[in-house]
Amino acid sequence: AQTVTQSQPEMSVQEAETVTLSCTYDTSESNYYLFWYKQPPSRQMILVIRQEAYKQQNATENRFSVNFQKAAKSFSLKISDSQLGDTAMYFCAFMNRDDKIIFGKGTRLHILP
Amino acid sequence: KAGVTQTPRYLIKTRGQQVTLSCSPISGHRSVSWYQQTPGQGLQFLFEYFSETQRNKGNFPGRFSGRQFSNSRSEMNVSTLELGDSALYLCASSLTSGRAEQFFGPGTRLTVL
Repeated sequence: AQTVTQSQPEMSVQEAETVTLSCTYDTSESNYYLFWYKQPPSRQMILVIRQEAYKQQNATENRFSVNFQKAAKSFSLKISDSQLGDTAMYFCAFMNRDDKIIFGKGTRLHILP
Repeated sequence: KAGVTQTPRYLIKTRGQQVTLSCSPISGHRSVSWYQQTPGQGLQFLFEYFSETQRNKGNFPGRFSGRQFSNSRSEMNVSTLELGDSALYLCASSLTSGRAEQFFGPGTRLTVL
């Protein structure tokens, strides 16, 4: 079965620091999509970043970047210059060839002032 | 452009009852997906509808069903409610099916007593 594992249930960092959220997944497929979603407290979930498995270049969106290691099946999210507004639950997700999406259990990130 | 809306936002039901949740996608979006979010199981994919047809289905019992109308609005129905159905039900819409970016609604919080 395909699984997504986020090994850090909760993290806290100081504002302006850099933080990395871990995600590993298990699949035998070679073509798939990976996502990081952000769910702020009492607010709607939004897509942070998306990576296509066949692309070797790591995706970047402003302060958010990923480290995609296909062979290791690892997909970590780096947030640079963290801001108070980054406080949220972060979900790593995998979409298989049938377009079914599987989420990790999430990492609750606290940005401290 | 209005975002994804879900009604009702909160719902309290008793075991054995049935419930219908509604989702209005962003204008022009033809795909609607439903997810169940619980503290224990995390985020789980229920099903996806595209152009009034169920395109994909997660691993949920037949008590969970859905449909999509010609205006892309979608409803989800849960029959014979169980305590374990208490969850936040999220709806997400996208322009097309598959790997297009999904935009999430605020969710419907269902409590089963």
